[in-house]
Amino acid sequence: EVQLVESGGGLVQPGGSLRLSCAASGFTFSDQYMDWVRQAPGKGLEWVGRARNKPNTYNTDYAASVKGRFMISRDDSKNSMYLQMNNLKIEDTAVYYCAREWQLYYYGMDVWGQGTAVTVSS
Amino acid sequence: QSVLTQPPSTSGTPGQRVTISCSGSNSNIENNYVYWYQQLPGTAPKLLIYKNDQRPSGVPDRFSGSKSGTSASLAINGLRSEDEADYYCATWDDSLSGRVFGGGTKVTVL
Repeated sequence: EVQLVESGGGLVQPGGSLRLSCAASGFTFSDQYMDWVRQAPGKGLEWVGRARNKPNTYNTDYAASVKGRFMISRDDSKNSMYLQMNNLKIEDTAVYYCAREWQLYYYGMDVWGQGTAVTVSS
Repeated sequence: QSVLTQPPSTSGTPGQRVTISCSGSNSNIENNYVYWYQQLPGTAPKLLIYKNDQRPSGVPDRFSGSKSGTSASLAINGLRSEDEADYYCATWDDSLSGRVFGGGTKVTVL
């Protein structure tokens, strides 16, 4: 079964750090681009960033709102992707989803995890 | 304020056709593929349309997408109660060098 499972969410104070993980199974993780998307309480979806695959030198792209504070990495040997979040702000409070971009669907995000909640509060 | 503009809500009765618009610009929709996602209450989003008008396997043909210039739209034919959800358009923005989502449209089945 194709599956993504996020973990690592929790409560953190403003200015703090948190590292989210996304564990993949059921597909060739190393072939795919992988994304992080977040959703603040009661709000819409916001793209956070993505990690490309090895043929594309694992390049990363980020939304302007997180650039310089968040860093995406991946470990293909562990079928996992990570989101290191530093200098967290209250507005980073959201459910964070990881998602797979599927080439056959022209890089549409066709598999999503269940999400992990991050709360930034003092 | 989202880069892509969607109506906040729309509604219809069972069996009706509803359409959702997504307005962008020449830095996003005009030169890139549009995707549509459905998010049922309390669940993760689901890919509904890719490459402007293509349906992933398993998506009913009641759902259709189209694109023209800087706008795109999603149509739901034969509206059903289980279609009650939030719908988001998405694409790549060349100026921002990143993906962008619309603000989302809540579809209510009356």
